[in-house]
Amino acid sequence: GAGVSQSPRYKVAKRGQDVALRCDPISGHVSLFWYQQALGQGPEFLTYFQNEAQLDKSGLPSDRFFAERPEGSVSTLKIQRTQQEDSAVYLCASSGYRGREQYFGPGTRLTVT
Amino acid sequence: SQKIEQNSEALNIQEGKTATLTCNYTNYSPAYLQWYRQDPGRGPVFLLLIRENEKEKRKERLKVTFDTTLKQSLFHITASQPADSATYLCAPLRLESYNTDKLIFGTGTRLQVFP
Repeated sequence: GAGVSQSPRYKVAKRGQDVALRCDPISGHVSLFWYQQALGQGPEFLTYFQNEAQLDKSGLPSDRFFAERPEGSVSTLKIQRTQQEDSAVYLCASSGYRGREQYFGPGTRLTVT
Repeated sequence: SQKIEQNSEALNIQEGKTATLTCNYTNYSPAYLQWYRQDPGRGPVFLLLIRENEKEKRKERLKVTFDTTLKQSLFHITASQPADSATYLCAPLRLESYNTDKLIFGTGTRLQVFP
């Protein structure tokens, strides 16, 4: 079966532009997570959905970051007015059960110039 | 705040030897601890999960230990192969009352296995 997919794989944005990153989780997975990974670091949590409900957004760095999962499947992470410090790999993960392993997508590498 | 420490320097070992990676955590008590492997340009891949009431878990050439007193997990790869070269991430997990399963990762340890 298909794993977690993300698009685009690479995105270059000019400072100040808005971007939208898409995540298609594994079918039937209730939990969906977004992480941000800087070069040489481990992934850092951004936000968590259980079905369509966003239960934890404590990791979103500013109000420029917004995530949604309106129908409990596909999710979009939107970054408004991008800044250079937003440059990173954005990883999406899904999980079928609480406390169990997470399945990660390949990530979207965002470069803000 | 919660802190997870892994060997920041790369671990270089010869093929056939056992690689041992360390994960230390402070300021919380995880119910589970997960280990992931990450190759360059790819997302992390789940390897093993160990619960707080388990001392040791094995899967093929992999072994994980979990010492809640020392607040430490050790990850062993026996008979290591060049294909084991990757970055290994640990992620202790505490199921919070507000219903989030977010993983807090260490910085990862890069393992290089030489033939």
